[in-house]
Amino acid sequence: DAGVIQSPRHEVTEMGQEVTLRCKPISGHNSLFWYRQTMMRGLELLIYFNNNVPIDDSGMPEDRFSAKMPNASFSTLKIQPSEPRDSAVYFCASSRVRGEQFFGPGTRLTVL
Amino acid sequence: GNSVTQMEGPVTLSEEAFLTINCTYTATGYPSLFWYVQYPGEGLQLLLKATKADDKGSNKGFEATYRKETTSFHLEKGSVQVSDSAVYFCALSDASGSEKLVFGKGTKLTVNP
Repeated sequence: DAGVIQSPRHEVTEMGQEVTLRCKPISGHNSLFWYRQTMMRGLELLIYFNNNVPIDDSGMPEDRFSAKMPNASFSTLKIQPSEPRDSAVYFCASSRVRGEQFFGPGTRLTVL
Repeated sequence: GNSVTQMEGPVTLSEEAFLTINCTYTATGYPSLFWYVQYPGEGLQLLLKATKADDKGSNKGFEATYRKETTSFHLEKGSVQVSDSAVYFCALSDASGSEKLVFGKGTKLTVNP
Protein backbone atom coordinates (compact mmCIF):
# COMPACT_ATOMS: atom_id res chain seq x y z
CA ASP A 1 0.00 0.00 0.00
CA ALA A 2 1.58 3.29 -1.10
CA GLY A 3 2.11 5.93 1.51
CA VAL A 4 1.86 9.66 1.03
CA ILE A 5 3.68 10.66 -2.14
CA GLN A 6 5.40 14.02 -2.49
CA SER A 7 7.17 15.55 -5.44
CA PRO A 8 9.71 16.77 -6.09
CA ARG A 9 11.93 15.38 -3.33
CA HIS A 10 14.42 18.19 -3.78
CA GLU A 11 13.96 21.61 -5.33
CA VAL A 12 16.59 24.28 -5.81
CA THR A 13 15.40 27.58 -7.20
CA GLU A 14 16.35 31.23 -7.32
CA MET A 15 14.73 33.99 -5.36
CA GLY A 16 11.67 35.34 -7.10
CA GLN A 17 10.77 32.12 -8.89
CA GLU A 18 7.52 30.27 -8.44
CA VAL A 19 7.69 26.93 -6.66
CA THR A 20 4.98 24.25 -6.68
CA LEU A 21 5.06 21.30 -4.33
CA ARG A 22 2.79 18.34 -4.92
CA CYS A 23 1.20 15.74 -2.69
CA LYS A 24 -0.84 12.59 -3.20
CA PRO A 25 -2.47 11.47 0.06
CA ILE A 26 -3.21 7.89 1.02
CA SER A 27 -6.39 6.66 -0.64
CA GLY A 28 -9.37 6.86 1.71
CA HIS A 29 -7.86 9.53 3.96
CA ASN A 30 -10.10 12.58 4.21
CA SER A 31 -7.74 15.07 5.88
CA LEU A 32 -4.56 16.53 4.40
CA PHE A 33 -1.96 18.67 6.11
CA TRP A 34 0.97 20.79 4.89
CA TYR A 35 3.84 21.36 7.35
CA ARG A 36 7.14 23.19 7.17
CA GLN A 37 10.20 22.14 9.18
CA THR A 38 13.34 24.18 9.83
CA MET A 39 16.04 24.04 12.45
CA MET A 40 15.13 27.49 13.73
CA ARG A 41 11.34 27.21 13.85
CA GLY A 42 10.82 23.47 14.16
CA LEU A 43 7.68 21.88 12.73
CA GLU A 44 4.92 24.30 11.72
CA LEU A 45 1.45 23.50 10.40
CA LEU A 46 0.72 25.68 7.38
CA ILE A 47 -2.76 24.57 6.37
CA TYR A 48 -5.06 21.60 6.55
CA PHE A 49 -7.97 20.36 4.44
CA ASN A 50 -10.88 18.14 5.32
CA ASN A 51 -12.80 16.53 2.45
CA ASN A 52 -10.87 18.81 0.06
CA VAL A 53 -12.01 21.98 1.84
CA PRO A 54 -9.44 24.26 3.56
CA ILE A 55 -10.30 24.29 7.26
CA ASP A 56 -7.46 26.18 8.90
CA ASP A 57 -4.90 28.26 7.02
CA SER A 58 -3.78 30.34 9.98
CA GLY A 59 -0.25 28.98 9.67
CA MET A 60 0.29 30.17 6.10
CA PRO A 61 3.10 32.71 6.45
CA GLU A 62 1.84 35.32 4.00
CA ASP A 63 0.10 35.88 0.70
CA ARG A 64 3.03 34.44 -1.21
CA PHE A 65 1.88 30.99 -0.06
CA SER A 66 -1.22 29.30 -1.43
CA ALA A 67 -2.55 25.75 -1.28
CA LYS A 68 -5.20 23.91 -3.22
CA MET A 69 -6.85 20.53 -3.10
CA PRO A 70 -8.85 20.12 -6.32
CA ASN A 71 -9.75 16.49 -5.54
CA ALA A 72 -9.30 13.81 -2.91
CA SER A 73 -6.08 12.51 -4.41
CA PHE A 74 -4.05 15.62 -5.07
CA SER A 75 -2.90 18.81 -3.37
CA THR A 76 -0.43 21.56 -4.21
CA LEU A 77 1.43 24.14 -2.17
CA LYS A 78 2.63 27.10 -4.19
CA ILE A 79 5.10 29.82 -3.25
CA GLN A 80 5.19 32.87 -5.50
CA PRO A 81 7.57 34.64 -5.40
CA SER A 82 9.97 32.49 -3.40
CA GLU A 83 12.48 33.98 -0.96
CA PRO A 84 15.60 32.51 0.70
CA ARG A 85 13.79 32.39 4.07
CA ASP A 86 11.35 29.88 2.55
CA SER A 87 14.13 27.29 2.44
CA ALA A 88 12.92 24.34 4.52
CA VAL A 89 11.63 20.79 4.32
CA TYR A 90 7.93 20.76 3.45
CA PHE A 91 5.89 17.75 4.55
CA CYS A 92 2.49 16.64 3.45
CA ALA A 93 0.51 14.33 5.74
CA SER A 94 -2.86 12.64 5.46
CA SER A 95 -5.21 11.17 8.02
CA ARG A 96 -8.38 9.15 8.34
CA VAL A 97 -8.45 8.97 12.14
CA ARG A 98 -8.06 12.16 14.15
CA GLY A 99 -4.52 12.53 15.40
CA GLU A 100 -3.11 9.63 13.38
CA GLN A 101 -1.27 11.38 10.60
CA PHE A 102 0.82 9.69 7.93
CA PHE A 103 3.66 11.85 6.68
CA GLY A 104 5.26 11.84 3.28
CA PRO A 105 9.03 11.85 2.79
CA GLY A 106 9.12 15.63 2.40
CA THR A 107 10.37 18.09 -0.21
CA ARG A 108 13.63 19.83 0.61
CA LEU A 109 13.38 23.35 -0.83
CA THR A 110 16.41 25.57 -1.25
CA VAL A 111 15.88 29.13 -2.45
CA LEU A 112 19.11 30.84 -3.49
CA GLY B 1 -4.12 27.65 24.62
CA ASN B 2 -2.96 24.08 24.21
CA SER B 3 0.74 23.34 24.45
CA VAL B 4 3.23 20.49 24.78
CA THR B 5 6.55 20.73 26.58
CA GLN B 6 9.27 18.13 26.04
CA MET B 7 12.60 17.71 27.74
CA GLU B 8 15.32 19.40 25.75
CA GLY B 9 17.85 17.24 24.04
CA PRO B 10 19.98 16.00 22.75
CA VAL B 11 19.93 12.75 24.67
CA THR B 12 22.85 10.36 24.21
CA LEU B 13 22.71 6.81 25.54
CA SER B 14 24.60 3.60 25.18
CA GLU B 15 22.94 0.56 23.65
CA GLU B 16 20.69 -1.35 26.11
CA ALA B 17 20.31 1.69 28.40
CA PHE B 18 16.91 2.74 29.78
CA LEU B 19 15.24 5.67 28.03
CA THR B 20 12.87 8.28 29.42
CA ILE B 21 11.79 11.35 27.47
CA ASN B 22 9.57 13.63 29.51
CA CYS B 23 6.47 15.25 28.06
CA THR B 24 3.92 17.44 29.80
CA TYR B 25 0.93 19.17 28.30
CA THR B 26 -1.54 21.98 28.86
CA ALA B 27 -5.02 21.53 27.44
CA THR B 28 -8.64 21.98 28.34
CA GLY B 29 -10.78 18.90 28.58
CA TYR B 30 -9.41 15.49 27.72
CA PRO B 31 -6.99 15.55 24.81
CA SER B 32 -5.62 12.53 23.01
CA LEU B 33 -1.85 12.15 23.31
CA PHE B 34 0.69 10.86 20.81
CA TRP B 35 4.35 10.14 20.31
CA TYR B 36 5.76 10.49 16.82
CA VAL B 37 9.27 9.52 15.70
CA GLN B 38 11.32 11.01 12.87
CA TYR B 39 14.27 9.01 11.55
CA PRO B 40 16.98 10.91 9.68
CA GLY B 41 15.85 12.10 6.27
CA GLU B 42 12.27 10.90 6.72
CA GLY B 43 8.86 12.22 7.67
CA LEU B 44 7.31 11.70 11.08
CA GLN B 45 5.73 8.35 11.94
CA LEU B 46 3.17 7.64 14.62
CA LEU B 47 4.82 5.59 17.36
CA LEU B 48 2.03 5.22 19.92
CA LYS B 49 -1.03 6.95 21.30
CA ALA B 50 -3.40 7.11 24.26
CA THR B 51 -6.87 8.58 24.16
CA LYS B 52 -7.96 8.69 27.80
CA ALA B 53 -6.55 8.95 31.28
CA ASP B 54 -4.56 5.93 32.54
CA ASP B 55 -4.35 4.45 29.03
CA LYS B 56 -0.97 3.04 28.14
CA GLY B 57 0.21 3.23 24.55
CA SER B 58 2.90 0.82 23.42
CA ASN B 59 4.76 -0.09 20.25
CA LYS B 60 8.19 -1.49 19.33
CA GLY B 61 9.15 -1.74 23.01
CA PHE B 62 8.24 1.89 23.72
CA GLU B 63 5.54 2.77 26.26
CA ALA B 64 3.83 5.90 27.53
CA THR B 65 1.02 6.28 30.08
CA TYR B 66 -1.54 9.09 29.99
CA ARG B 67 -1.38 10.68 33.45
CA LYS B 68 -4.20 13.20 33.91
CA GLU B 69 -3.17 14.13 37.46
CA THR B 70 0.33 15.20 36.37
CA THR B 71 -0.64 16.16 32.79
CA SER B 72 2.18 13.99 31.51
CA PHE B 73 2.86 11.39 28.82
CA HIS B 74 6.47 10.34 29.30
CA LEU B 75 8.03 8.00 26.74
CA GLU B 76 10.01 5.01 28.04
CA LYS B 77 11.92 2.07 26.66
CA GLY B 78 13.72 -0.50 28.74
CA SER B 79 16.62 -1.21 26.40
CA VAL B 80 17.42 1.09 23.50
CA GLN B 81 19.11 0.04 20.29
CA VAL B 82 21.26 1.99 17.84
CA SER B 83 18.33 1.87 15.42
CA ASP B 84 16.24 3.92 17.88
CA SER B 85 18.38 6.98 17.13
CA ALA B 86 15.88 9.57 15.91
CA VAL B 87 13.95 12.67 16.95
CA TYR B 88 10.90 12.03 19.13
CA PHE B 89 7.90 14.37 19.19
CA CYS B 90 5.15 14.44 21.78
CA ALA B 91 1.81 15.76 20.50
CA LEU B 92 -1.77 16.31 21.53
CA SER B 93 -5.08 16.47 19.74
CA ASP B 94 -7.52 18.53 21.74
CA ALA B 95 -11.11 17.70 22.55
CA SER B 96 -12.60 20.38 20.29
CA GLY B 97 -12.82 18.10 17.29
CA SER B 98 -10.12 19.93 15.34
CA GLU B 99 -7.83 17.75 13.28
CA LYS B 100 -4.80 19.81 14.28
CA LEU B 101 -2.01 18.32 16.33
CA VAL B 102 -0.01 20.43 18.75
CA PHE B 103 3.59 19.19 18.70
CA GLY B 104 6.41 19.59 21.18
CA LYS B 105 9.76 20.81 19.88
CA GLY B 106 11.19 17.31 19.59
CA THR B 107 13.96 15.50 21.46
CA LYS B 108 16.89 14.11 19.54
CA LEU B 109 18.08 10.70 20.75
CA THR B 110 21.43 9.22 19.79
CA VAL B 111 22.23 5.65 20.81
CA ASN B 112 25.85 4.58 20.63
CA PRO B 113 26.96 0.95 20.23
